[in-house]
Amino acid sequence: SQTIHQWPATLVQPVGSPLSLECTVEGTSNPNLYWYRQAAGRGLQLLFYSVGIGQISSEVPQNLSASRPQDRQFILSSKKLLLSDSGFYLCAWGARNSYNEQFFGPGTRLTVL
Amino acid sequence: KNEVEQSPQNLTAQEGEFITINCSYSVGISALHWLQQHPGGGIVSLFMLSSGKKKHGRLIATINIQEKHSSLHITASHPRDSAVYICAVRLMTGGGADGLTFGKGTHLIIQP
Repeated sequence: SQTIHQWPATLVQPVGSPLSLECTVEGTSNPNLYWYRQAAGRGLQLLFYSVGIGQISSEVPQNLSASRPQDRQFILSSKKLLLSDSGFYLCAWGARNSYNEQFFGPGTRLTVL
Repeated sequence: KNEVEQSPQNLTAQEGEFITINCSYSVGISALHWLQQHPGGGIVSLFMLSSGKKKHGRLIATINIQEKHSSLHITASHPRDSAVYICAVRLMTGGGADGLTFGKGTHLIIQP
């Protein structure tokens, strides 16, 4: 069966520090991968999606970037965190031949101080 | 205006009550999801709909494509149903692996 992992589960970082959040998927090949963010008091928002290694699409301009160095690995990064980057970050995957179904990871709660 | 609107924003009910959460959207979609988010933050997909009605245990989801409206019903509600319920849609944008667009969620509390 397929599983999706995210780490770390929680993270507290100072403003201006770098960020790296990792997401990996097991039990499937060539998944579509997604990064979402849920800021305090706001709904979930799509940040990035990827249809393959090295292929990243960004939905909103921001202080973050994403990379997909391997088929089942999706990384969310920042060179310098802002206070507004605080939130709950969710990774999700969907099967390549079924764009509609998505499965969510456990999430990372990021607090920028 | 948000493309996905949910109501109510907050709902408190007594155990055993029939619960209805509504979702309206303003654009063409290829699918609609109902998600459940527990206090720890983890999200579970409850239903994915493109037409009609689906039932799983005490949960029922319906969608009316013409009216751009979906409802999530919970029968015989229980305190363990307390969570945030989120409606999300995949927009009909012409293909690709586009992500979901979310409503802001309905915070449901079922009191014993």
